[in-house]
Amino acid sequence: EIVLTQSPATLSLSPGERVILSCRASQSVSSYLAWYQQKPGQAPRLLIYDTSNRATGIPARFSGSGSGTDFTLTISSLEPEDFAIYYCQHRTSWPYTFGQGTKLEIK
Amino acid sequence: EVQLVESGGGLVQPGRSLRLSCAASGFSFDDYAMHWVRQVPGKGLEWVSDINWNSGGIAYADSVKGRFTISRDNAKNSLYLQMNSLRTEDTALYYCAKGLFYGGYDYFDSWGQGTLVTVSS
Repeated sequence: EIVLTQSPATLSLSPGERVILSCRASQSVSSYLAWYQQKPGQAPRLLIYDTSNRATGIPARFSGSGSGTDFTLTISSLEPEDFAIYYCQHRTSWPYTFGQGTKLEIK
Repeated sequence: EVQLVESGGGLVQPGRSLRLSCAASGFSFDDYAMHWVRQVPGKGLEWVSDINWNSGGIAYADSVKGRFTISRDNAKNSLYLQMNSLRTEDTALYYCAKGLFYGGYDYFDSWGQGTLVTVSS
């Protein structure tokens, strides 16, 4: 099973700031990594798939990069609605696994 | 607009069974793989099972293998999860999710609101 480790666990930032979230895999997942956003009381939403492809309707301020074992999700300028929990997920093999999440909170 | 509506959750005793359903609309159901993902309230996400577009490919997490069975009825645009021999650790919110692809390894590009399963005596 591939373990995904996200860092940091929590980030406190202000609207307008740039943020970079990290996801590290225990073995190579090639480019097969996605990012999801989950707000309280809501289901997760797919943001980025295959490392850098934005899902339908996702704003351009969200971008992803990386390969192999190290990946990042960048939000270029935080909007109030971006404060949420972010998860990464791989699709290299079964079982698909998720990172433990990074909580983005308002400073 | 994609809509996924789960049902069938509830309170059940350990060792008993429950069948979850997911009604899909707003997309061509038989063109996509479908998934079940669960989340203990306040905790992270765990993939449970998936089924490809024609039910020819099925996979399970080790934690549910041999106890849960995924199925789909493309004529009814519906996905199911038969859960047998339930354990307290199966307590979670169960999400139905649409795959991004028709089969193979996948992502989850649309989600329902979930149905809560509580396993307790």
